[in-house]
Amino acid sequence: DAGVIQSPRHEVTEMGQEVTLRCKPISGHDYLFWYRQTMMRGLELLIYFNNNVPIDDSGMPEDRFSAKMPNASFSTLKIQPSEPRDSAVYFCASRRSSGEETQYFGPGTRLLVL
Amino acid sequence: KQEVTQIPAALSVPEGENLVLNCSFTDSAIYNLQWFRQDPGKGLTSLLLIQSSQREQTSGRLNASLDKSSGRSTLYIAASQPGDSATYLCAVEETSGSRLTFGEGTQLTVNP
Repeated sequence: DAGVIQSPRHEVTEMGQEVTLRCKPISGHDYLFWYRQTMMRGLELLIYFNNNVPIDDSGMPEDRFSAKMPNASFSTLKIQPSEPRDSAVYFCASRRSSGEETQYFGPGTRLLVL
Repeated sequence: KQEVTQIPAALSVPEGENLVLNCSFTDSAIYNLQWFRQDPGKGLTSLLLIQSSQREQTSGRLNASLDKSSGRSTLYIAASQPGDSATYLCAVEETSGSRLTFGEGTQLTVNP
């Protein structure tokens, strides 16, 4: 398996623009997580899905952030409009619901909002 | 609210030394505890997962222990090597399939 795939790997945009981050989880994994990592706040969970259904979005900072999982093999995290304080590394992770319960992380998307 | 703390924040040791990284958590009602490694500019790689009913897990030169009642875990690295240089993160999962709450990590440097 190729592991968790994220795109783009790097994104530079200007304040006010829409940003869309993409994630393909490992096949057979039915949990998908979106995390954000910054120097100030460390790693924080934004939202997670189980069987494509959002379970906990309490970590989503505000209405500018939205996430979807239209099918088992694809998820998006959208920021509209983006702000400089959204600059961070965004990670997607997936895991099985039973058996091996380790979360597998993607390589991350490094976002810079100017 | 669960809080995870890692001590020390940074550690520099000579090659070959055995070392211990510490992790503590405030709510002992956890499902499992996981140790990850993060290399600069990379994602996280899982090292060890300890279920709440277990006391320790071992993988090669790594040994992780869990004392749930006291809210503590340690990661022991034997015979450290320069390739072990990375940030080590501890995370707890409170219920099956729920969020991971991460510590801030210990940045380890092993000097040749």
